[in-house]
Amino acid sequence: EVQLLDSGGGLVQPGGSQRLSCAASGFIFSSYAISWVRQAPGKGLEWVSAVSGSGGTTYYADSVKGRFTISRDNSKNTLYLQMNSLRVEDAAIYYCAKSREAAVAGNWFDSWGQGTLVTVSS
Amino acid sequence: DIQMTQSPSSVSASVGDRVTITCRASQGVSSWLAWYQQKPGKAPRLLIYAASSLQSGVPLRFSGSGSGTDFTLTINSLQPEDFATYYCQQANSFPRTFGQGTKLEIK
Repeated sequence: EVQLLDSGGGLVQPGGSQRLSCAASGFIFSSYAISWVRQAPGKGLEWVSAVSGSGGTTYYADSVKGRFTISRDNSKNTLYLQMNSLRVEDAAIYYCAKSREAAVAGNWFDSWGQGTLVTVSS
Repeated sequence: DIQMTQSPSSVSASVGDRVTITCRASQGVSSWLAWYQQKPGKAPRLLIYAASSLQSGVPLRFSGSGSGTDFTLTINSLQPEDFATYYCQQANSFPRTFGQGTKLEIK
């Protein structure tokens, strides 16, 4: 059974940093692109970033480019999102999401973590 | 970026009804489109991918159609567990983008 466990959320001040993690199991982790998708309270879904299975290719939404860094450690079956220069508008539940197919970029997401809440406030 | 617009934003229906939700892309995405269902406090669930392919484990009353810029999600014979929010998502290009969501409520 595929499982994704998000962690690392919490309260951070504007301008601060936070690192999210997503521990995966139940599939060949290194074969699949993984994305981060966020959802502000009461709002819709926003794709944030993706990384290829090898970790060699990354993609970002314009809203986070230059501030967030996605990475993965395939030896630990873990995905990360390093978030710097956090803004109030970055506050959201962050989900990691596994791509359905073993494609480099990842298209659609067939398994999701439970989400981790990031609150940005002074 | 490709903008995804869903309509309606909300819809009320009864158990047993048929409901159709539409999703329009600001530029052609071929068949690179997925549909998700989300219930309060839960992660989204993939229903349809490649515009019309049913994800494993999803009931047959769900179906998707369309290509290019116009897509539909149809739910036949609504069941109580179908009342949720539905999102479309394009996978034609980066950044991936979602529609704003359609909330399906019980009439």
